[in-house]
Amino acid sequence: SQTIHQWPATLVQPVGSPLSLECTVEGTSNPNLYWYRQAAGRGLQLLFYSVGIGQISSEVPQNLSASRPQDRQFILSSKKLLLSDSGFYLCAWSKNRDGYTFGSGTRLTVV
Amino acid sequence: QQQVKQSPQSLIVQKGGISIINCAYENTAFDYFPWYQQFPGKGPALLIAIRPDVSEKKEGRFTISFNKSAKQFSLHIMDSQPGDSATYFCAARRSSGSARQLTFGSGTQLTVLP
Repeated sequence: SQTIHQWPATLVQPVGSPLSLECTVEGTSNPNLYWYRQAAGRGLQLLFYSVGIGQISSEVPQNLSASRPQDRQFILSSKKLLLSDSGFYLCAWSKNRDGYTFGSGTRLTVV
Repeated sequence: QQQVKQSPQSLIVQKGGISIINCAYENTAFDYFPWYQQFPGKGPALLIAIRPDVSEKKEGRFTISFNKSAKQFSLHIMDSQPGDSATYFCAARRSSGSARQLTFGSGTQLTVLP
């Protein structure tokens, strides 16, 4: 069966520090991968998606970047965090005609 | 045209009552309409989904009603329970496009009172 792993679960980082969040999917190949951000009590904002290794599409201009170094690995990064980067970050995968499967999320607090 | 409009933003229902959440879309290219349930601190989980060739789908206490001509779909939770208290997102997916992206509604926070 397919599983998605996302870590860390929580993270507190100072303003200006770098960020690296990792997401891996098991049990499938060539999935579509997504990074979403959710502000407190708000909806899901699509940040990046990827249809293959090295292929990244950005949905909104921001302080973040994404990379897909391996087929089932998706990384969200920042060189210098801003206070506004705080939020709940969700990784998700999909394939073919299926819906999305989300990871358990990372709660990022920038202080 | 990519928007999915969801209402209400919040909903309070008594235990045993019916919870109804509505969504409307513009893009006729959408071909898959899932609903997700999210508990605090967790990722959204697929609850139930429908394709536009049927008007209703039922799974236990959860029913999706789909009106293709009106471009609307709704989630009905029968006999609502306190454990159903969560945020619910409707979504719609384009039939074309390599990434098969979902467009999400803004979410409805459901509270079921004991």
